[in-house]
Amino acid sequence: DAKTTQPNSMESNEEEPVHLPCNHSTISGTDYIHWYRQLPSQGPEYVIHGLTSNVNNRMASLAIAEDRKSSTLILHRATLRDAAVYYCILRDLMHQFYFGTGTSLTVIP
Amino acid sequence: DAGVIQSPRHEVTEMGQEVTLRCKPISGHNSLFWYRQTMMRGLELLIYFNNNVPIDDSGMPEDRFSAKMPNASFSTLKIQPSEPRDSAVYFCASSLINEQFFGPGTRLTVL
Repeated sequence: DAKTTQPNSMESNEEEPVHLPCNHSTISGTDYIHWYRQLPSQGPEYVIHGLTSNVNNRMASLAIAEDRKSSTLILHRATLRDAAVYYCILRDLMHQFYFGTGTSLTVIP
Repeated sequence: DAGVIQSPRHEVTEMGQEVTLRCKPISGHNSLFWYRQTMMRGLELLIYFNNNVPIDDSGMPEDRFSAKMPNASFSTLKIQPSEPRDSAVYFCASSLINEQFFGPGTRLTVL
């Protein structure tokens, strides 16, 4: 199974950018990189995904290293509502998702 | 659309009893996933269906667990007999292409 490695926790000040790193050194050429987040007492929700190129959407940006062995989720202006556990996940050809332990993000007012 | 619907939201049962968790995926989605989440093990994929057919059940912990998807709008996860170590939050998710949509989860407590 493809695996991801993330820091257990990070802190950010409100309204500042946050860069959440993820290492996936065993990624295969066909694996997509997905990010989900889980707010307290809720199910995970989709944030963004990509294959090779950097991606932007209304929630965040995803920067993918040229060798695809790492990626970074960027929240441009953290708000208190962004406090959650962020999961970096690889999706394989069978469309299965493998969640790691995630990064618990604390946003400081 | 109401999103993924799971029932019950909370279940408390005694060891040895049968437990059935239910999931209604988003209409039109062709993939359905069952996950289990605990503090110790995090979020684990149990089983994955595509077009109502089980594709991979390697995450199912043991024979006490079984899952069915009789049609595109309904799936069940059954535990028989239940044990205290099965206590967890069980999530159902559905997807069409890339994004998985998760339900609110069922919090199961086995005494």
